[in-house]
Amino acid sequence: NAGVTQTPKFRVLKTGQSMTLLCAQDMNHEYMYWYRQDPGMGLRLIHYSVGEGTTAKGEVPDGYNVSRLKKQNFLLGLESAAPSQTSVYFCASSYLRGRMNTGELFFGEGSRLTVL
Amino acid sequence: QQQVKQSPQSLIVQKGGISIINCAYENTAFDYFPWYQQFPGKGPALLIAIRPDVSEKKEGRFTISFNKSAKQFSLHIMDSQPGDSATYFCAPRPEGGGNKLTFGTGTQLKVEL
Repeated sequence: NAGVTQTPKFRVLKTGQSMTLLCAQDMNHEYMYWYRQDPGMGLRLIHYSVGEGTTAKGEVPDGYNVSRLKKQNFLLGLESAAPSQTSVYFCASSYLRGRMNTGELFFGEGSRLTVL
Repeated sequence: QQQVKQSPQSLIVQKGGISIINCAYENTAFDYFPWYQQFPGKGPALLIAIRPDVSEKKEGRFTISFNKSAKQFSLHIMDSQPGDSATYFCAPRPEGGGNKLTFGTGTQLKVEL
């Protein structure tokens, strides 16, 4: 049981380049999230999705786009990378109980992105 | 605007001591109060959680205490061990099963021998 898998685990980009981070979960969870983690800032929510085909903005969405074409996948895109986007990115998922989001998050191992 | 305030930012405890980490909230109502533990190079993982209908929950050496009137909840680690050295986050769920799950800024705990 893989849980939440993120690819790639490491990437170095030059300013202005684009890239996509892929998150895949095999737990049939409804909700998926992208966070970034920076020293002293904790985990900040970038975008999230409450189901296939739906996405919503989090705390720090600027400079990122997301898509959830399939329930198990949540993609995070950087169209024109900037040094300020150097960070560790975490994907997470959570599940529905009854009609509510349990709020229990399952995380991937992270993707370390460096923008030069 | 930060919905939760976590303190302290870092903490050093001697082996066998008690570690205490706090989260306080103000303007938002929450109905599920989890604590996550993160080791270096790994993603956070759920450690322990509490619902507001109880004031305390204990799992082994880890205890959550919840003070509804003060709008704060705390993580206590009894008999702290070097293996507990990690970063701890609170991430309360908005009331009614809200989907926008945000985290406290984290507490870096180091347990020394």
